Amino acid sequence: EPEVTQTPSHQVTQMGQEVILRCVPISNHLYFYWYRQILGQKVEFLVSFYNNEISEKSEIFDDQFSVERPDGSNFTLKIRSTKLEDSAMYFCASSTGETQYFGPGTRLLVL
Amino acid sequence: AQRVTQPEKLLSVFKGAPVELKCNYSYSGSPELFWYVQYSRQRLQLLLRHISRESIKGFTADLNKGETSFHLKKPFAQEEDSAMYYCALREGAQKLVFGQGTRLTINP
Repeated sequence: EPEVTQTPSHQVTQMGQEVILRCVPISNHLYFYWYRQILGQKVEFLVSFYNNEISEKSEIFDDQFSVERPDGSNFTLKIRSTKLEDSAMYFCASSTGETQYFGPGTRLLVL
Repeated sequence: AQRVTQPEKLLSVFKGAPVELKCNYSYSGSPELFWYVQYSRQRLQLLLRHISRESIKGFTADLNKGETSFHLKKPFAQEEDSAMYYCALREGAQKLVFGQGTRLTINP
């Protein structure tokens, strides 16, 4: 059964550095998402992406964040200048418009 | 803002006992609700959605619009049901709003 994959599984970075989190959605899906979960808190929506553009974003998704679909398979989340409070588990998801299928997540630690 | 509340962070029951995980929501329109489950070291996966009205792994959930609830139930818990359970509501076209999650432990 096809699955969403994410790399890396863990990332440690210094405050102020740029990070790129990568996702490979399920191949016939057209909608892509990023969520995050700070330790001990809820899973929070960051952004949805459809037809090569952002369709919705949350107030968390400020100018420090960007998403891209650089080719036919990858979907990336870039954080330009990481802050301590960006430390979280980041989940990618994809869908055909119905059920969202989640990746295993990338644990990001900002020091 | 739309909200999903799962009042129990932790729930522990014995194998064979009934299970009910509570979920309440606030939503101004016609809600679309889901239960996701995350087993140890695995990804979030859909357990069931209210519009399909099906039973998965013995779990059912009924949408009660009067009580704004979508509680998850299973009549006889099994050890393999131990996991983190998240109630979620679809807001707008795509965004999912999650509850805090309930960690369910089934004791032998």
